[in-house]
Amino acid sequence: ETGVTQSPTHLIKTRGQQVTLRCSSQSGHNTVSWYQQALGQGPQFIFQYYREEENGRGNFPPRFSGLQFPNYSSELNVNALELDDSALYLCASSFPLLTSGGSLQETQYFGPGTRLLVL
Amino acid sequence: AQKITQTQPGMFVQEKEAVTLDCTYDTSDPSYGLFWYKQPSSGEMIFLIYQGSYDQQNATEGRYSLNFQKARKSANLVISASQLGDSAMYFCAMREGQGGTSYGKLTFGQGTILTVHP
Repeated sequence: ETGVTQSPTHLIKTRGQQVTLRCSSQSGHNTVSWYQQALGQGPQFIFQYYREEENGRGNFPPRFSGLQFPNYSSELNVNALELDDSALYLCASSFPLLTSGGSLQETQYFGPGTRLLVL
Repeated sequence: AQKITQTQPGMFVQEKEAVTLDCTYDTSDPSYGLFWYKQPSSGEMIFLIYQGSYDQQNATEGRYSLNFQKARKSANLVISASQLGDSAMYFCAMREGQGGTSYGKLTFGQGTILTVHP
């Protein structure tokens, strides 16, 4: 159990609509990242939030936006949905891991994902 | 250029045998971390093992070990004593830079589907 939850598990939308996906992580996990995983592909980084501010973004257009809240929950919003937005959306929460090498490293633990289908 | 390359789309292994999943990476950053994740058909990404670029020893976590060859820029995952439950998609990923609480984007490979036969 990673302690990272996502809702909803599945969602069907039509082209042009807007969608909000939600993620909740454990207390003290200040960093949350969102990824998009198309079928048969590896996840692609959308953006990351640290202490409620975006501090890194991948190659995604501005219609992908996010929010992080003080209660360690976050949202991914996608406007003007396109067919290619159909994917598994993964949220990841970061906390330090003591590695076998003896160092502390931020490690991302993922939620179960939301499967979005755009028709 | 691909930052993470997994050249094996699919691998098969007999139960109780060992299997190696290949991963090569490309970065000019001297500080980076390499991760392996398992993704069952349910979709959740499960963290398996981490190797830092400055770690002197290869990482091990139970039945998982990482064959880290820095000069060759490879970070192969070795699963010993395969079990039926190991059947899943496996992803290699890299984070460049120190990480910590700073920007920690993971770049993933295309994945390898592992099938364990009884």
